[in-house]
Amino acid sequence: GDSVTQMEGPVTLSEEAFLTINCTYTATGYPSLFWYVQYPGEGLQLLLKATKADDKGSNKGFEATYRKETTSFHLEKGSVQVSDSAVYFCALSDRMNYGGATNKLIFGTGTLLAVQP
Amino acid sequence: DTGVSQNPRHKITKRGQNVTFRCDPISEHNRLYWYRQTLGQGPEFLTYFQNEAQLEKSRLLSDRFSAERPKGSFSTLEIQRTEQGDSAMYLCASSPHRLAGTDTQYFGPGTRLTVL
Repeated sequence: GDSVTQMEGPVTLSEEAFLTINCTYTATGYPSLFWYVQYPGEGLQLLLKATKADDKGSNKGFEATYRKETTSFHLEKGSVQVSDSAVYFCALSDRMNYGGATNKLIFGTGTLLAVQP
Repeated sequence: DTGVSQNPRHKITKRGQNVTFRCDPISEHNRLYWYRQTLGQGPEFLTYFQNEAQLEKSRLLSDRFSAERPKGSFSTLEIQRTEQGDSAMYLCASSPHRLAGTDTQYFGPGTRLTVL
C-alpha cells in the first residue's frame, strides 16, 4: 500500500541554520503531497502542498519540490527561527480526480525540529 | 471563518466505559475524516464521510468503533467498551467538495482520550 517515510528526529539546529527534512513516498497512483506542522499544544496545520510532479510548494520561507523520479518531497528552509520549533509531518493523498478516491491522508511518523537561539 | 471544532478536548474514562466525541467541520465542507494519533506517530486514517455517507473505514476501526454523520454536517465517533490501547488523540478533518478544486484537509484541535 501507499506509504510515507521521513527522517527520524529530533533535528536540533541553531537559529539561522539551513534546514532539510527528508521525505520519500511509495504510491500506486499520482498523489498530492503535503507538509503539515504541529506546534506545541496546537493542532495540525497545513504548511505547504504540491499536486503534481515538479510543482514547488512554498510558505513562510519553507519549500518542497515534488520529485516523481526520486519519489521525494524534501522540506527545506534557508534560515530557521526559534519559532519554527515544531513537529513536521510529510503526507500524501490520492489525487482527487480519481473516481472514488477518498483523498485520505497517509502520514509519515513526524520529525521534531528544535531550534536553539 | 470558524475552523473545525472538536468536543470535548480531553476525555478521561475507565476501561470498559463508552465514550463519544463530536466534530463540527467547516460549514461548506462536505468531506469529513477521522484520524487517530498515538504518541510519537503520525495520524492514521480511521474513516471518511462524503455528506452523510460513510464511504471508507480503515481496518483500525474495530467493531467497538462507530462513526456517524446523520445530516451531513457534524459527526460523532463512539468507542464502546474502551480499552487502554484506545488512548490516543482523535483528530477530525474536513475538506471542500471535490469540484472546489482542492483536496486540502483542515484539522481540528483533536480530542485526547485517556483510558485508565
